[in-house]
Amino acid sequence: DIQMTQSPSSVSASVGDRVTITCRATQVINNWLAWYQQKPGKAPKLLISGVSHVQSGVPPRFSGSGTGTDFLLTISSLQPEDSATYYCQQANSFLGGWTFGQGTKVEIK
Amino acid sequence: DVQLVESGGGLVKPGGSLRLSCAASGFTFSLYSMNWVRQAPGKGLEWVSSISSNSQYMFYGDSVKGRFTISRDNAKNSLYLQMSTLRAEDTAVYYCATSGEAAAGQWGQGTLVTVSS
Repeated sequence: DIQMTQSPSSVSASVGDRVTITCRATQVINNWLAWYQQKPGKAPKLLISGVSHVQSGVPPRFSGSGTGTDFLLTISSLQPEDSATYYCQQANSFLGGWTFGQGTKVEIK
Repeated sequence: DVQLVESGGGLVKPGGSLRLSCAASGFTFSLYSMNWVRQAPGKGLEWVSSISSNSQYMFYGDSVKGRFTISRDNAKNSLYLQMSTLRAEDTAVYYCATSGEAAAGQWGQGTLVTVSS
């Protein structure tokens, strides 16, 4: 089974900082790689699908990139409302077989 | 607006059964694959199961295979998860979510399942 490992597990940064979260797969995966944002007590929110497709309504400071086994979520200029836990997710197939990373907690200094 | 409302959670004893429901509105339910994703208290997200739009394909995570059954009723715009032989480690908030581009596009608010004696 494919495992997804995110790093770092947590990051504390200042408003305006650039924040990058890495998601690494244990084997080469297809481009079915998504990123979610989850705030405490809330359901996750899809930010990016297909590695780099930013969802409608998501601020353009969020971007995704990568290929093969290594993928990145970048927040170009951190805002207070970005404080949350972020998860990557890969899909074995279009219909299912998803695996999530363990999450990265982003805090504002 | 898309709305997904889960129900059916609660306290159940180990070995017991529970059926979760997810009522969908605001989109053409019959066109979408659907999923269940869970989150144990203080833990990360775990995919549980997926079902194709016409119920032809169903997939399960290894931890629930053989114990959980996903189903849907397109006439009622509803998704279900029948859970049996429940274990303490099944304690979690269970979310239903739509599928799009191999990702969960829309999520419900979740329903809490607690397995405890």
